[in-house]
Amino acid sequence: DAGVTQTPRHEVAEKGQTIILKCEPVSGHNDLFWYRQTKIQGLELLSYFRSKSLMEDGGAFKDRFKAEMLNSSFSTLKIQPTEPKDSAVYLCASSLDWGGFNYAEQFFGPGTRLTVL
Amino acid sequence: GQQVQQSPASLVLQEGENAELQCNFSTSLNSMQWFYQRPGGSLVSLFYNPSGTKQSGRLTSTTVIKERRSSLHISSSQTTDSGTYLCAMTSGSFNKLTFGAGTRLAVCP
Repeated sequence: DAGVTQTPRHEVAEKGQTIILKCEPVSGHNDLFWYRQTKIQGLELLSYFRSKSLMEDGGAFKDRFKAEMLNSSFSTLKIQPTEPKDSAVYLCASSLDWGGFNYAEQFFGPGTRLTVL
Repeated sequence: GQQVQQSPASLVLQEGENAELQCNFSTSLNSMQWFYQRPGGSLVSLFYNPSGTKQSGRLTSTTVIKERRSSLHISSSQTTDSGTYLCAMTSGSFNKLTFGAGTRLAVCP
């Protein structure tokens, strides 16, 4: 079975540009997450979808970050406009919470390393 | 304050030594997961361990929900174990992970 896939693996953007990161969750999973990882802040949640519905949009990341789930097998994260402080690794994860227990093992993709100049 | 506290922050071992990594949670948790990450690499799930003890090869994870803690034991360490170990928890009504800051492990030959 294919795991979580993310594209591109690396992205370099100029300040002010719009970039779109892509994620395909594990087939059949109903929860999808976007996280950001930096050396200073560690791992932070950006967005969380359950069955394509946005459950959490990460509070502080609302203004320039927008995640969408176009269908159950594809999600995008748009950053508009980019700023140098957005340089980080963006990770997508998915899980199958079949019982609505609100906890299930999460599987992570390889991540997209974003550098904003 | 921080919901997930990991200790130690860093650890250096000689190959063959054992290690015990700790994770303490300030709130009640539904589940927790241990991950491994190489520099520049992705997160590899080691254990999904809501409670009790699980073993995989030289790794053992023990979670005690009532005491809000989890540990990861590495026996007979190898140089390939070097990297960062992260624990994460879910709590409340959503299945989102809150991560600790990680333990950076270096195993020397």
